[in-house]
Amino acid sequence: ETGVTQSPTHLIKTRGQQVTLRCSSQSGHNTVSWYQQALGQGPQFIFQYYREEENGRGNFPPRFSGLQFPNYSSELNVNALELDDSALYLCARSPRTGSSGELFFGEGSRLTVL
Amino acid sequence: AQTVTQSQPEMSVQEAETVTLSCTYDTSENNYYLFWYKQPPSRQMILVIRQEAYKQQNATENRFSVNFQKAAKSFSLKISDSQLGDTAMYFCAFMKPSGSGYALNFGKGTSLLVTP
Repeated sequence: ETGVTQSPTHLIKTRGQQVTLRCSSQSGHNTVSWYQQALGQGPQFIFQYYREEENGRGNFPPRFSGLQFPNYSSELNVNALELDDSALYLCARSPRTGSSGELFFGEGSRLTVL
Repeated sequence: AQTVTQSQPEMSVQEAETVTLSCTYDTSENNYYLFWYKQPPSRQMILVIRQEAYKQQNATENRFSVNFQKAAKSFSLKISDSQLGDTAMYFCAFMKPSGSGYALNFGKGTSLLVTP
């Protein structure tokens, strides 16, 4: 049990729609990152938030955006959904930047785009 | 950009036996971290073991150990006395320490099946 909770666990959207995925943590992890895991692939880094600001981003277009709130909960927003956005989206928390690199993952949100 | 390669998509081992999962990576960095993460069928990924590149000694965690060959850019995971609960996807991952935080680069994973 990592103490990281994601919602919803599953959802289905149609192409062109927008989606919001949520992540919360039981403890004071103040750094959150999001990963996209396509079927049969390893997770791909989307971006990271620290103290409510984005401070690292992978090779994802601007229609992928995020928020981190003062209580360290986080949202991942994806606009103008495309079929290739179908994937498992993982939230990962860590105590702070610059530490050992261990991440605590949630179980993920499975997004299907039709 | 750093790349991580896991050349074994699937592996199988009998309970109580030993299995080794392979991982190679490509980087020009001298200081970095390497990880093995486990993702059981329930999907929650957990850390198995971590290695700092500046440490020559191979990391061990109970039944799990690594063979870290920095010059060869190789980072294999050995699981001793395999248990049924070890059945999972195993991901090798690379991280370059940065003031802008973490970005783990994962391999495509190895699916390990432990059979009775």
